[in-house]
Amino acid sequence: QLQLQESGPGLVKPSETLSLTCTVSGGSISRGSYYWGWIRQPPGKGLEWIGSIYYSGSTYYNPSVKSRVTISVDTSKNQFSLKLSSVTAADTAVYYCARHDVPASETFDPWGQGTLVTVSP
Amino acid sequence: SYELTQPPSVSVSPGQTASITCSGDKLGDKYACWYQQKPGQSPVLVIYQDSKRPSGIPERFSGSNSGNTATLTISGTQAMDEADYYCQVWESSTGVFGGGTKLTVL
Repeated sequence: QLQLQESGPGLVKPSETLSLTCTVSGGSISRGSYYWGWIRQPPGKGLEWIGSIYYSGSTYYNPSVKSRVTISVDTSKNQFSLKLSSVTAADTAVYYCARHDVPASETFDPWGQGTLVTVSP
Repeated sequence: SYELTQPPSVSVSPGQTASITCSGDKLGDKYACWYQQKPGQSPVLVIYQDSKRPSGIPERFSGSNSGNTATLTISGTQAMDEADYYCQVWESSTGVFGGGTKLTVL
């Protein structure tokens, strides 16, 4: 059964870079036609897609954060990562990683459990 | 940018049918999917490509999409269905989520 697990610092200072890693278990990140995505959810609010990556390194990002985001992949570790620069309090959110079924259903399934990142001095 | 609009809340009595709508410009021309999120949990895919159910999702969940509105329907709603529901589509290679609807079963 495919499982995803987010990890990284829970507290980031304003103007610094948020860095998270998603570890995939129960399947290879480089098998199949899947992308791997990041989605976030501010406390008490809705979901926002951040971006997705293919194991080859091909990426696409939400224009709302494109200038600040980098998603990378490490197939040897079966991991993919998120970096979001110049963070502000508005970036405080639960960050989820998920398998992104491209180009078939274009859905996110399954999701990791999520990790809360707070941006605060 | 493309926007999806959902009602903030919907209430339904146990055993009745709940309908949650998602509106967007020419939404029927795109594939819509729906996610269920229970408190403190990660979202779960319940409908994809407008009306298909993933393995393990009960038959009481169904979906449709036409014109400017996609609809998630839960027949014979159970207390366990109380959750937030989000619609989602792709527009110009950008994933867009609706604001979410809180379904209350009372």
